[in-house]
Amino acid sequence: AQTVTQSQPEMSVQEAETVTLSCTYDTSESDYYLFWYKQPPSRQMILVIRQEAYKQQNATENRFSVNFQKAAKSFSLKISDSQLGDAAMYFCAYRSALGGSEKLVFGKGMKLTVNP
Amino acid sequence: DAGVIQSPRHEVTEMGQEVTLRCKPISGHDYLFWYRQTMMRGLELLIYFNNNVPIDDSGMPEDRFSAKMPNASFSTLKIQPSEPRDSAVYFCASSLSGRLHTDTQYFGPGTRLTVL
Repeated sequence: AQTVTQSQPEMSVQEAETVTLSCTYDTSESDYYLFWYKQPPSRQMILVIRQEAYKQQNATENRFSVNFQKAAKSFSLKISDSQLGDAAMYFCAYRSALGGSEKLVFGKGMKLTVNP
Repeated sequence: DAGVIQSPRHEVTEMGQEVTLRCKPISGHDYLFWYRQTMMRGLELLIYFNNNVPIDDSGMPEDRFSAKMPNASFSTLKIQPSEPRDSAVYFCASSLSGRLHTDTQYFGPGTRLTVL
């Protein structure tokens, strides 16, 4: 079974600074998707960024980018120019690309605090 | 699009009562997922449907839990009888199949259930 590990339960960053959130996963599959979701105090789960394992290029969405290291099974999220609104729980998630397997496997999450 | 809609947003009930949570997926999406989030266990997939048919219910904790999807625009998750350990936030999510869409799951706002 696949597992997702977020080893840092909490992190903090100064406003306007850059922070990197780590995530590792374990799988024997070669084709899959990886996601970062953000959960602010409102509880809404918001998709931040996604990466397809067959793409070598790291995904980027405005201030958010990933460092995808397939051989190391690592999928870190970099937030540049941190803003107060980035404060939230962040969850890393894995999904197999095999047909018939739609299950998202989540890490335990990491709480990000942004200091003004 | 209105996104995934869940009701109620909050539910407080007494042990032994029946609880019904409701979800309306994004129009056109063919997958629907029910998740439970607790501090102890994080985010867990309970069950998911494809084209209204349950595909994987291995995450349903016990027979007290049941889920239905009578049509493409509505699903329910029922707990009968409820117990205090069922207290959690329950999320519904939907997605559109097909590689072009990368099957990203979009989450509703969640229902916070408290069983006294």
